[in-house]
Amino acid sequence: EPEVTQTPSHQVTQMGQEVILRCVPISNHLYFYWYRQILGQKVEFLVSFYNNEISEKSEIFDDQFSVERPDGSNFTLKIRSTKLEDSAMYFCASSGQGAVNEQFFGPGTRLTVL
Amino acid sequence: QQQVKQSPQSLIVQKGGISIINCAYENTAFDYFPWYQQFPGKGPALLIAIRPDVSEKKEGRFTISFNKSAKQFSLHIMDSQPGDSATYFCAARKANAGNMLTFGGGTRLMVKP
Repeated sequence: EPEVTQTPSHQVTQMGQEVILRCVPISNHLYFYWYRQILGQKVEFLVSFYNNEISEKSEIFDDQFSVERPDGSNFTLKIRSTKLEDSAMYFCASSGQGAVNEQFFGPGTRLTVL
Repeated sequence: QQQVKQSPQSLIVQKGGISIINCAYENTAFDYFPWYQQFPGKGPALLIAIRPDVSEKKEGRFTISFNKSAKQFSLHIMDSQPGDSATYFCAARKANAGNMLTFGGGTRLMVKP
């Protein structure tokens, strides 16, 4: 069964450093998303991406964040200068043309900012 | 107005019992309501979903009931099993907003053997 994969599973970084979280969406999917989940809290939407551009972003997704689809398979989230409050689980998701609503989530990357 | 409120925060059910989780929303622009199941250390997995033009949807032991006028929807898990022990999130999608999902706060379900 096709699945969304994410790397790394755990990233530890110093405050102020840049991090790139990587995702490989399901191969025939066209819509891509990033969500985050602070420990013990609900899942929060960050951004959606379609046709090589951002289609929607939340208030959390400020200028420190960016997304990119550098090739035909990867989808990345970059945080330019990490803050302590960026520590969270980051989930990538994707959905297909025929079932746009059905978002399939990856296993997540746990980001710890020290 | 973007919020989705979910209750209870935690739920303990005996094996074979019915688990009921409730969600409420305010924004009438929401047009799709999925439920996700999350096990520790894993990403949310789509369980079942419903559109507001349908009042009920059943898939196996899982049923969504939807009350459009009350802006409420609920997940019923029949014959609950210990393997159902997980955190459940309701969510809502706003039309024409990049398929953005707004999640409820989650319900931690424990099914006792």
